[in-house]
Amino acid sequence: DGGITQSPKYLFRKEGQNVTLSCEQNLNHDAMYWYRQDPGQGLRLIYYSQIVNDFQKGDIAEGYSVSREKKESFPLTVTSAQKNPTAFYLCASSISLTELSGNTIYFGEGSWLTVV
Amino acid sequence: DQQVKQNSPSLSVQEGRISILNCDYTNSMFDYFLWYKKYPAEGPTFLISISSIKDKNEDGRFTVFLNKSAKHLSLHIVPSQPGDSAVYFCAASARGTSYGKLTFGQGTILTVHP
Repeated sequence: DGGITQSPKYLFRKEGQNVTLSCEQNLNHDAMYWYRQDPGQGLRLIYYSQIVNDFQKGDIAEGYSVSREKKESFPLTVTSAQKNPTAFYLCASSISLTELSGNTIYFGEGSWLTVV
Repeated sequence: DQQVKQNSPSLSVQEGRISILNCDYTNSMFDYFLWYKKYPAEGPTFLISISSIKDKNEDGRFTVFLNKSAKHLSLHIVPSQPGDSAVYFCAASARGTSYGKLTFGQGTILTVHP
């Protein structure tokens, strides 16, 4: 089955540690995204990538880093510089950044990150 | 600055009746709008979308209406079913940026009672 796989589902981080969330897609999509959801709020864009070896900051990129070495993979690192990292993180992909049809934007199942 | 707002945090509806979820936006550059449905601890799933060149789009029980002059859109679900109970997000994207970069509202929790 084609789709987006995020791992781990649940992750606990100690203060001062970096953690990396994995996102893999087998949909052959060029564009990939990371969003963050806080309780009672909508999703906010952290980073996005249009193509391999290229990525851009979204609205809330501070304290995060990404890489796009392979088309199918877009890992997100939550660094110690992120002051409030506890949230639900969602990875998404689409055929391209310029694709107009809404049903080409697919989301993964999400990863819960909690700082302990 | 909340560019996409869903002012009703929750909505409760009886099975078989109409559910109307509302969304307002402030950025006049937005020209493509989407509705997503989301269950707790899962990723959103796409429901329906509308381009700014239209004022209505229908797909089965779901209809989205767009009022550009009022910068308002709404999602109608008729008839509502208990399985529709979830959080509904509206999202928008703008000319001059990529359509995949979505700006989301805060979400509305819909509860459909049997």
